[in-house]
Amino acid sequence: QSALTQPASVSGSPGQSITISCTGTSSDVGGYNYVSWYQQHPGKAPKLMIYEVSNRPSGVPDRFSGSKSGNTASLTISGLQAEDEADYYCSSYTSSSTLGWVFGGGTKLTVL
Amino acid sequence: EVQLVESGGGLVQPGRSLRLSCAASGFTFDDYAMHWVRQAPGKGLEWVSGISWNSGSIGYADSVKGRFTISRDNAKNSLYLQMNSLRAEDTALYYCAKGYYGDLVSWFDPWGQGTLVTVSS
Repeated sequence: QSALTQPASVSGSPGQSITISCTGTSSDVGGYNYVSWYQQHPGKAPKLMIYEVSNRPSGVPDRFSGSKSGNTASLTISGLQAEDEADYYCSSYTSSSTLGWVFGGGTKLTVL
Repeated sequence: EVQLVESGGGLVQPGRSLRLSCAASGFTFDDYAMHWVRQAPGKGLEWVSGISWNSGSIGYADSVKGRFTISRDNAKNSLYLQMNSLRAEDTALYYCAKGYYGDLVSWFDPWGQGTLVTVSS
């Protein structure tokens, strides 16, 4: 399984909005609505932020939103806060080579 | 509160075996799929393997297929990963993660704190 493509880094100032892209293929992102996003602070376990492209688990602020167009999914964080600084990973169910899951390479978000 | 506690990691020589365990509590274990996800030092996340609620559906990443075996014991609320023919590139923090539903098409929430596996001579 090939990894999904994410930008290595993005940055924004407090209060601004940023978007992180996640590009795959028709065998993963484009073929299923099973895209999820995870936030990982240094030294901590990942935390689910978005599932099924655009759904937020309870407890996740509505500043976090997800979308998908074709083979590219996106995570948007609006009203950036200092505590949003973390690594973000997308993931998708995949039918390439074997049934399972694939992650993006991760994006480091810096809040300036 | 859902708790996932991994154990069994350590330093192992290339070619040897190791068995990881994940003890689950705070939820009805046999209702949910379970996964192993790993993270090499300073690197990103990599899905390793997943197993459905009744072990009827199992999947592996290409990188571990034929070497690793996932299993679960619903009576003991435990998940396992038998890792054989270990390689240096298997060095990583191994996380246990609960599936959102019972089948493999089930993302990861929540995650344990991980157990570190180091493959080195």
